[in-house]
Amino acid sequence: GAVVSQHPSWVICKSGTSVKIECRSLDFQATTMFWYRQFPKQSLMLMATSNEGSKATYEQGVEKDKFLINHASLTLSTLTVTSAHPEDSSFYICSARDWRDLNEQFFGPGTRLTVL
Amino acid sequence: GENVEQHPSTLSVQEGDSAVIKCTYSDSASNYFPWYKQELGKRPQLIIDIRSNVGEKKDQRIAVTLNKTAKHFSLHITETQPEDSAVYFCAARSYSTLTFGKGTMLLVSP
Repeated sequence: GAVVSQHPSWVICKSGTSVKIECRSLDFQATTMFWYRQFPKQSLMLMATSNEGSKATYEQGVEKDKFLINHASLTLSTLTVTSAHPEDSSFYICSARDWRDLNEQFFGPGTRLTVL
Repeated sequence: GENVEQHPSTLSVQEGDSAVIKCTYSDSASNYFPWYKQELGKRPQLIIDIRSNVGEKKDQRIAVTLNKTAKHFSLHITETQPEDSAVYFCAARSYSTLTFGKGTMLLVSP
């Protein structure tokens, strides 16, 4: 099946610093990638949808200047958490949709972000 | 937008029993309904899905039913095993957005 990787798998940073998370589709081209945030014991909340070569569409309540998303190629999307604060600590998961099957989404393994 | 309700939030069963998780959705335009299993700290994994033109789908011990009129769909797991213990999420896709339910923690006791 389709494989999506994320890097890093976990990161600890100081408050005020920026963190970049990469999401790659390894064996398929993803015209659309999605970024989710999951707090402990909660569901996945969609943060934004990114389409290759265009600006990301952010969900209501998600600050686009704080969570910068770049989808520069058909296999790579990045999420940068700028000026991170402890409340940004969460599990960030990306998913990618294969252009050949617009229904199914393949999830990355997630990135655990801890902001001290 | 779409709203997905999932029940129950926790479910405890004995090994060998059946487990049923139910979801309802609000957007009649939703046409794709996947179910995911997520173990602690890991990615959600698709276990079964159903499209709006189908009423039921089965894959070994797992089955999903869909009632479009009532806007609800259910996951059925038969002959549960301890390794089925995890959090299960239903989801509904409307246009390009997948909306998740809040999840059900399933605990299968040996």
